[in-house]
Amino acid sequence: AQSVTQPDIHITVSEGASLELRCNYSYGATPYLFWYVQSPGQGLQLLLKYFSGDTLVQGIKGFEAEFKRSQSSFNLRKPSVHWSDAAEYFCAVGAVGGATNKLIFGTGTLLAVQP
Amino acid sequence: EPEVTQTPSHQVTQMGQEVILRCVPISNHLYFYWYRQILGQKVEFLVSFYNNEISEKSEIFDDQFSVERPDGSNFTLKIRSTKLEDSAMYFCASRRLEGGDTQYFGPGTRLTVL
Repeated sequence: AQSVTQPDIHITVSEGASLELRCNYSYGATPYLFWYVQSPGQGLQLLLKYFSGDTLVQGIKGFEAEFKRSQSSFNLRKPSVHWSDAAEYFCAVGAVGGATNKLIFGTGTLLAVQP
Repeated sequence: EPEVTQTPSHQVTQMGQEVILRCVPISNHLYFYWYRQILGQKVEFLVSFYNNEISEKSEIFDDQFSVERPDGSNFTLKIRSTKLEDSAMYFCASRRLEGGDTQYFGPGTRLTVL
């Protein structure tokens, strides 16, 4: 069965420090992979996605993620965190080839940014 | 930039009452979804809808739930007789094409069942 694991429930980083949020997935073939961000009281905003091709994908707000098939991972990175990045981050996998392409989400990582 | 909208932002209801959550997907999108997020838990898929019919539903989506696209713009989720455990944030999403095209999410409706 498809699943997504985000092992870090809560991460705190200092403003200006680098960030890496972990995501591991379980899927029988090459999945579609997404990172969404949810600010308090807001909906889910797409940060970036991987469908195929270059395994390093760039997203909005200076985020990037790297797809590593051998590790079944799709970790999110940012070289220098801003206070406005404090939010909850969700990794999701989408089914390839299915008509519905429902998303399977991880449990999320809550990011706090210290001044 | 077009976006998915949802109303109301917060709905409080008594157990056993019917609620209808409303969504306006992005206008040229063809696939529509409902997800829910119980407080402190992950976002879960409920149902997908395409060409005026349900294309897939989860185990959560039992006979108490129904979806409808009553006109060319709205997409609704009805819960016939709410239970305490239906309290959650409900997200609507829409997608333009088949394949891996991106799902765009609305801001959510927080449903509280008392």
